[in-house]
This record gives sequence, C-alpha cells and structure tokens, in this order.
Amino acid sequence: EVQLVESGGGSVQPGRSLRLSCVVSGFRFDDYGMHWVRQAPGKGLEWVSSIKWNSGDTAYVGSVRGRFTIFRDNAKNSVYLQMNSLRPEDTAVYYCAKSSGANRYGYLTNWGQGTPVTVSS
Amino acid sequence: QSVVTQPPSVSGTPGQRVTISCFGGSSNIAIYSVSWYQQLPGKAPKLLIFSSEHRPSGVPDRFSGSKSGTSATLTISGLQAEDEAEYYCAPWDGSLDGPAFGGGTKVTVL
Repeated sequence: EVQLVESGGGSVQPGRSLRLSCVVSGFRFDDYGMHWVRQAPGKGLEWVSSIKWNSGDTAYVGSVRGRFTIFRDNAKNSVYLQMNSLRPEDTAVYYCAKSSGANRYGYLTNWGQGTPVTVSS
Repeated sequence: QSVVTQPPSVSGTPGQRVTISCFGGSSNIAIYSVSWYQQLPGKAPKLLIFSSEHRPSGVPDRFSGSKSGTSATLTISGLQAEDEAEYYCAPWDGSLDGPAFGGGTKVTVL
C-alpha cells in the first residue's frame, strides 16, 4: 500500500523558517518525481513545488521561488520542503504527492494527509 | 487567480447526471492532458481521472472525463450521496511548469 506521511508543520512568526518532511512507503521512491501542494484555509489547491526522481530538476510557483527549496533523500525515502522567510499568506495545509512518472511532469497519483502551517505574529 | 476556471458549485439529486466544466488555455488544456481530483470534506485530495479520460483502479465507472480544445469535463452519471465533495481539475501548465489547479467545484447532492 502506498503511503505518504508529512510532518514538520506548526505555528511560526513571519520571517521565520520551517522544514516539512514527507516519508513514503509502498513504492520504489527513486522511480518517481514528487510534489508539494498547499491549501489555504477555506481555499482551493495550489501547486507549490516539484522535483525529479534524481533531484536533477526542480520547479516552484512564483510566489515561493527564492524562499522555498525542495529536496529529496532517496536513501531515506523522503522529500522535504525548506521554507524560509515565511509570510502570513503561506498559511495552509501542505500536502506531498507522488508524481505519475520519474520526471516532474504528470499527474499526482497519491497524496499524504497533509501538515498544517500557520504563519502569524 | 488560477489560469484554469471551474464553476464554484453544481448540484443534483441522487441518480441524476451532473457535469463539471474546466476552462483553460493555450498553455495548459490545449496541449496537455487533464487530471481530476476529489476532495471529501476534511480529507486529502484523491486522484479521480488521469490523462483526461482514464480512471485509476477502484474509481467507480460513474465518473468519466473528456477533453476538447481548451476545455475539459468531468461527468458523474448516477449521482450518489457519497459524491458530495469538492472537485478540482488540473492540467499541466507550460508557463507555470507545474499542474494548474482550477478553483474547485463543490458538488452538492440535494
């Protein structure tokens, strides 16, 4: 059974940092790209970032580029999202999701349960 | 504002057929396939349709998808109470370089 489990969310002040983790099981992790998607309270889904199977290619939505970094450790079956210079508008539930293929392109086949992030003074 | 738009809500009675439209443009639906996700209240999203018209194993066949030009459609044939949820379309977008989620459509079963 495919499982994705996020952790690392919490409440932080604006300008601070947070690192989200997502550990996966049930599939060969280094065969697939991975994504982070967020959902602000009462709002829709927003793609945040994605990474290729071998970390050779990454991408970000414009609002987080330069502040967030996605990376992965295939030996630990884990993908991470380092979030710096957090803003109130980054408040959301953050989901990690498995891509349909090795590259970033594709659809999101499986999702974790999400980890909430609140940015407030 | 998303580059992909959906109606905010649709409703129907049990057994009825409902459709959800997804409108995009030249950088997304026109050239890439569309996926659809179902999000039940308080739950994580779940893949419902991929490559515009294909269902993953386990998704009931009352759900179907299609694409034409710069728009896509999700159809629920024979609406059931457990279908009450938010539905999102998400074509890949070449400008975004990622999946472009529509704003979501809330389906209400009357």
